[in-house]
Amino acid sequence: KAGVTQTPRYLIKTRGQQVTLSCSPISGHRSVSWYQQTPGQGLQFLFEYFSETQRNKGNFPGRFSGRQFSNSRSEMNVSTLELGDSALYLCASSSGSVYNEQFFGPGTRLTVL
Amino acid sequence: AQTVTQSQPEMSVQEAETVTLSCTYDTSESDYYLFWYKQPPSRQMILVIRQEAYKQQNATENRFSVNFQKAAKSFSLKISDSQLGDAAMYFCAYESRFQGAQKLVFGQGTRLTINP
Repeated sequence: KAGVTQTPRYLIKTRGQQVTLSCSPISGHRSVSWYQQTPGQGLQFLFEYFSETQRNKGNFPGRFSGRQFSNSRSEMNVSTLELGDSALYLCASSSGSVYNEQFFGPGTRLTVL
Repeated sequence: AQTVTQSQPEMSVQEAETVTLSCTYDTSESDYYLFWYKQPPSRQMILVIRQEAYKQQNATENRFSVNFQKAAKSFSLKISDSQLGDAAMYFCAYESRFQGAQKLVFGQGTRLTINP
């Protein structure tokens, strides 16, 4: 089975721009979660989608949004980029039940200049 | 809100020896799940071991085992016979059973170095 894939792997943007990151889950997985990883704040939960519905959302401003398509692929969007949005964005997929293992992708490294 | 604390930013151990990584958490819930994830340098995060809070028996996966102390809200990871491939960031994580969605709350991580 192919693992979780994220595109692009690296991205450089300037302040004020917007960005869209993509995540393709493992085949058959219906849940996709997004996490932001920074040296200062560590790993923080952004949101989780299950069957195209957002089930849970972390404590991030409205500039961070996401969606999930019928094939379970997910995208997250960050508008009006700030320097502090520079981070590794990780996507994880699972079958969707709590306690199930979440399989992580390699991440997208976003640099905001 | 739940919090997870890993008080050891860095640890090192000699190859073939045993090391224990500490994790404490704070929650008012009685039923939840705990995980240890490993993030090798420039590689994907993978699950090492998990524990259901209602199970008193400590989880074990080959060389990895946990010491789960529910009353103390402590969840340490023991790695026996350390190998060079164990070098990585290790994250302790908490997941609520009641929120109906998957959301991991992570600790700050412990960087483990294996000395040959």
